Amino acid sequence: AQKITQTQPGMFVQEKEAVTLDCTYDTSDPSYGLFWYKQPSSGEMIFLIYQGSYDQQNATEGRYSLNFQKARKSANLVISASQLGDSAMYFCAMSRIITGNQFYFGTGTSLTVIP
Amino acid sequence: DAGVIQSPRHEVTEMGQEVTLRCKPISGHNSLFWYRQTMMRGLELLIYFNNNVPIDDSGMPEDRFSAKMPNASFSTLKIQPSEPRDSAVYFCASSKDSLNTEAFFGQGTRLTVV
Repeated sequence: AQKITQTQPGMFVQEKEAVTLDCTYDTSDPSYGLFWYKQPSSGEMIFLIYQGSYDQQNATEGRYSLNFQKARKSANLVISASQLGDSAMYFCAMSRIITGNQFYFGTGTSLTVIP
Repeated sequence: DAGVIQSPRHEVTEMGQEVTLRCKPISGHNSLFWYRQTMMRGLELLIYFNNNVPIDDSGMPEDRFSAKMPNASFSTLKIQPSEPRDSAVYFCASSKDSLNTEAFFGQGTRLTVV
């Protein structure tokens, strides 16, 4: 069965510092996708970054980078130079193609950026 | 594209009433998902359609819940009769059939059953 685990229910980080949000996954599929979403207090789900299972390099999108360690089945999100607007829930997700594109989400990590 | 469109954004209803949530996915997307989000349970997948066909409805909590996708541009999630414990935010999301494509979420419907 596919499973996404986020072990940090809540995290705090000082403004302008970097923070790592942990995500581990469990799958036996050879091909899969890994995603991070941000959900601010306003409620919308915002896509941040994607990593393919065959990608050799870690994905980066601006201040976001995904630390992908395939052997450890981890896909941690690194946010550099944290800003107050980064305070939100963050969800890790995995996709697999069986009949269409199926997504599995973790339970989320609440990040608070302290001024 | 306008993105995934859900209606209504907010719904307040009395226990026992029927509630219908609506979703218009992004044109060209083959997969459509209904999720429910609560503080207690987090983000739960209720049902998933591919090419308008329900593929996995194992997350639908009870027979009171039903979902349809009559065509590629419209889906409904119905709760009949509604109960206070159904109060949650319901998200619809859509995606293409490609591993490197994210799920695009609607703004959600906040349902309150009193």
